[in-house]
Amino acid sequence: AQRVTQPEKLLSVFKGAPVELKCNYSYSGSPELFWYVQYSRQRLQLLLRHISRESIKGFTADLNKGETSFHLKKPFAQEEDSAMYYCALSPGNQFYFGTGTSLTVIP
Amino acid sequence: GAGVSQSPSNKVTEKGKDVELRCDPISGHTALYWYRQSLGQGLEFLIYFQGNSAPDKSGLPSDRFSAERTGGSVSTLTIQRTQQEDSAVYLCASSLATHGRFTEAFFGQGTRLTVV
Repeated sequence: AQRVTQPEKLLSVFKGAPVELKCNYSYSGSPELFWYVQYSRQRLQLLLRHISRESIKGFTADLNKGETSFHLKKPFAQEEDSAMYYCALSPGNQFYFGTGTSLTVIP
Repeated sequence: GAGVSQSPSNKVTEKGKDVELRCDPISGHTALYWYRQSLGQGLEFLIYFQGNSAPDKSGLPSDRFSAERTGGSVSTLTIQRTQQEDSAVYLCASSLATHGRFTEAFFGQGTRLTVV
């Protein structure tokens, strides 16, 4: 069963524009949600997790249990944000990843 | 080392040959995961280890794929009779349970496998 859905494979925005990467999940109970990022030629790394409620590199993500969504947002995109972004869900003993969204920020 | 280490970084093999990919997780991490990353396919789960046992191997695409983990540490992913569709980047990750939950998965740099 598909637990994490990222509907956009590719997303392009202009520098300075707001960006939102969508993530929807399906899981009963209280999973933990994460966003991972992979910059060019670098390894996949954690960007943020919902339990921390923190802003990393200007990105935030709010868990909406009613809509089962965990969209990643940034008010002003920068060129260095161009990367592959993966939404992930963990019920506690596993990590399920979405198919990823490739973000390109156009200068 | 401080992070997850995978070897080799790159592997080119002929169709039909067997390959073995290695993953050294972060010391003390009890959980280890293998994923496959293909262009346009995102991250595909292959297998998950808790200690030396594999509670979930549902992602292995065929019986040509197998994995083992010894000593609760190093893991090897073996692909027998490789096919061109096996070409991908194979990623390994490890994590540590905190209060019974795995809070973050740390990834290796991956092994890029090319089957010619």
